[in-house]
This record gives sequence, C-alpha cells and structure tokens, in this order.
Amino acid sequence: TQLLEQSPQFLSIQEGENLTVYCNSSSVFSSLQWYRQEPGEGPVLLVTVVTGGEVKKLKRLTFQFGDARKDSSLHITAAQPGDTGLYLCAGFNAGNNRKLIWGLGTSLAVNP
Amino acid sequence: GAGVSQSPSNKVTEKGKDVELRCDPISGHTALYWYRQSLGQGLEFLIYFQGNSAPDKSGLPSDRFSAERTGGSVSTLTIQRTQQEDSAVYLCASSFWLRGGTDTQYFGPGTRLTVL
Repeated sequence: TQLLEQSPQFLSIQEGENLTVYCNSSSVFSSLQWYRQEPGEGPVLLVTVVTGGEVKKLKRLTFQFGDARKDSSLHITAAQPGDTGLYLCAGFNAGNNRKLIWGLGTSLAVNP
Repeated sequence: GAGVSQSPSNKVTEKGKDVELRCDPISGHTALYWYRQSLGQGLEFLIYFQGNSAPDKSGLPSDRFSAERTGGSVSTLTIQRTQQEDSAVYLCASSFWLRGGTDTQYFGPGTRLTVL
C-alpha cells in the first residue's frame, strides 16, 4: 500500500514565523497535490506539482517536488493567522491518475 | 458558479438505521468521488463515477455501503444498518477530467455522520 507521511502532525507558531511541512513516501508519484482544509469545509486545492525538482510559488507559499518524485515540501514565509488550517498532501501514483493517495495532514495554528 | 453541495450537513442516527447522503456536483463535471474522513485516519477513497462508465467501487468498506449517480449528476451514498465505526465526515468531490491530464477535484463541505 502506498502511503504518504506528513510531518509534523501539529504545528503552532507565532505570526511572522516561517515553517516547512514535509510529505514523504517510498513510492514514486506521477504528480502530487497540496490542499488546505478549514473546519467544516472540504479540502481546497492549492497547487499541483508534476515534474521532479519542480518549485511553485503561491504568494508566501513555496511548494517543491522532490527530484525522484517521492517527496514534497510546503514552505510558508511570514505566516499569518489566516494561514491556520489543515494542510494535506495527496499524490497520484504512476498509471492511475484518478485515485489520490492522501497524507494524514499537518494541523497548523498561527497565533497573532 | 455554484460549487459542490452536500446534504445534510449533519446527520445523527441510531445504530442499525439506514442513512442517505446526497451530493450535487458542479454542473458539467463528469467525475464524482466519495471520500470518508475520520479523525486520525485521513481521507479514505470510497467510490468514483466517471461519465457512463461502471463506477470504481474498490474503496467501499463493506456491502452495507452503496452509491448511485443519477443522470450523470446528483449522487447518493447509502449506508445500511449503520455502525458506530461509520461515524465520520463524508466528503464528495467532482471534477472535469481530461484524459492524460491531472485531475483537479473540487470538494463539497461534507456531511458529518454520527452514529449513536
């Protein structure tokens, strides 16, 4: 069974700090997605990374896909309280781009 | 346009009862997914529908679970003889899948099911 391991599971930081969330696997993924979920809502797609070594930036968020396409990271610069939420990574395994394999998520709290 | 909607938002039921959960996907989306999200378990794939193709039911945990999609639009997930371990948030997602491309799924707010 393919698994995506996310770390840390919980993170509580002060406004203005930087943070990195990791998503790791022993399996290769054809692409990987990052989602953000707020309480009472469904996950919302932030980014899709496809190419090994790819880096994508979304304002203060930087996403990187590992060269071997087995891992990914999400870096947030100068975190704000509005960044609070559950961050989930999910990957499509090679040959099946319909079923997402999900990590358990990182719960981020940014305190004012 | 409107996003994915789900109803009810909350459902409390007694063990042994049947429940029906409804999902209205984004208009024009050809694919529809059901997931279950439990505390500490992450999102668990249940079933997906793509156009007129036979649904992929490989994620359904038992034969108490079934789903249908009528007219290529609205979907209903039915859980018969509910058990306490069925308590979870049930999420629906839809997408307009392009063959060879990466799927972008849009999620509804979920139905929180509590089985007493």
